[in-house]
Amino acid sequence: KAGVTQTPRYLIKTRGQQVTLSCSPISGHRSVSWYQQTPGQGLQFLFEYFSETQRNKGNFPGRFSGRQFSNSRSEMNVSTLELGDSALYLCASSWGGLAGGPRTDTQYFGPGTRLTVL
Amino acid sequence: ILNVEQSPQSLHVQEGDSTNFTCSFPSSNFYALHWYRWETAKSPEALFVMTLNGDEKKKGRISATLNTKEGYSYLYIKGSQPEDSATYLCAFRGGSSNTGKLIFGQGTTLQVKP
Repeated sequence: KAGVTQTPRYLIKTRGQQVTLSCSPISGHRSVSWYQQTPGQGLQFLFEYFSETQRNKGNFPGRFSGRQFSNSRSEMNVSTLELGDSALYLCASSWGGLAGGPRTDTQYFGPGTRLTVL
Repeated sequence: ILNVEQSPQSLHVQEGDSTNFTCSFPSSNFYALHWYRWETAKSPEALFVMTLNGDEKKKGRISATLNTKEGYSYLYIKGSQPEDSATYLCAFRGGSSNTGKLIFGQGTTLQVKP
């Protein structure tokens, strides 16, 4: 079974630009979550998508957005990039079932996209 | 604001030593507690998902316990090996199955010297 894939693996952008990152979940998984990892803050939750709907959102500015397609693939977009957006962006997929689903639902992480903003 | 704390922040041990780390999390609105191992240049690897108070999980030389009433979990590594060197993360999941949001601790970085 193929794991979670993320593209691109590395990106260099300049301030003010916008960027789109992609995540392909494990086949059969319907939930995709995005996390930002910086040295000072650790892993911070950005948002979660389930069946093409944003189900949860973290405390990030509106410049961070995402979407999910019918095949569960997800993209996140960051507009008007700032230096502080330089980070490793990880996505994680899980079955994400509705009420009554297994509490042991595991989130599987991709390798991440390393974004550098100059 | 929900806070997940891990201690120690880093640990250096000799090969063969046994070690343990602590994860503290909110004791209210508990749904699950996840443990991950994250090696440099790799994806975080899921170790355990723990849901019941008193849970004990084991995977090879690694085991974990859970106390939801007081809000802590311990991760134990028996007879550490150099390949155990990694950052170990715990993540709290609150609420219900309708949210997959994980709140991560800062991690414990383990270095095992041969």
